[in-house]
Amino acid sequence: GAGVSQTPSNKVTEKGKYVELRCDPISGHTALYWYRQSLGQGPEFLIYFQGTGAADDSGLPNDRFFAVRPEGSVSTLKIQRTERGDSAVYLCASRADSDPPGELFFGEGSRLTVL
Amino acid sequence: GQQLNQSPQSMFIQEGEDVSMNCTSSSIFNTWLWYKQDPGEGPVLLIALYKAGELTSNGRLTAQFGITRKDSFLNISASIPSDVGIYFCAGIGGTASKLTFGTGTRLQVTL
Repeated sequence: GAGVSQTPSNKVTEKGKYVELRCDPISGHTALYWYRQSLGQGPEFLIYFQGTGAADDSGLPNDRFFAVRPEGSVSTLKIQRTERGDSAVYLCASRADSDPPGELFFGEGSRLTVL
Repeated sequence: GQQLNQSPQSMFIQEGEDVSMNCTSSSIFNTWLWYKQDPGEGPVLLIALYKAGELTSNGRLTAQFGITRKDSFLNISASIPSDVGIYFCAGIGGTASKLTFGTGTRLQVTL
């Protein structure tokens, strides 16, 4: 597709369950970012991939959060033992190497609700 | 995590009015950007600034990179209904390529 695609758009789960969120970046974009946006807040950085490797994972809040990008395209954000505080919109963004660092293309996000 | 401080938090204006919002940080940034987010959508880039003191325009939008590198402002002239949304500043510091976002300014435009 033309833009960044994220699935599911909405996910409701119970406390303690495992969740996977998927991001399909713009074709050819080697840089991929995950952000988390809580209600009424700006997006907060989680992790940045350059190709297949995580170049910066300093924003992951704890070891329940993990992300992979095995073939340098699609990425999956994995959350184990979900807690109510994990409820937020998870945004994915991508960027081409030829674009300046801050000029990201965002998807519409995956809204996660933990009951 | 760190977030940049934006003001005002929200604003209600009439169509045709000019708008000004700003963003401040306790640390220096090398790049400042302004994004707009509509409900249910991801943020969309409006303007990017790369040099201290730089003033850049994009249509009715004008943004400036503060000379101290710790602030930026965004002006919107002659507002229209589709300007409604949340405006976020964002910055990049040091050699990192990750963005730090502001707390947002919610803009409402009345006819």
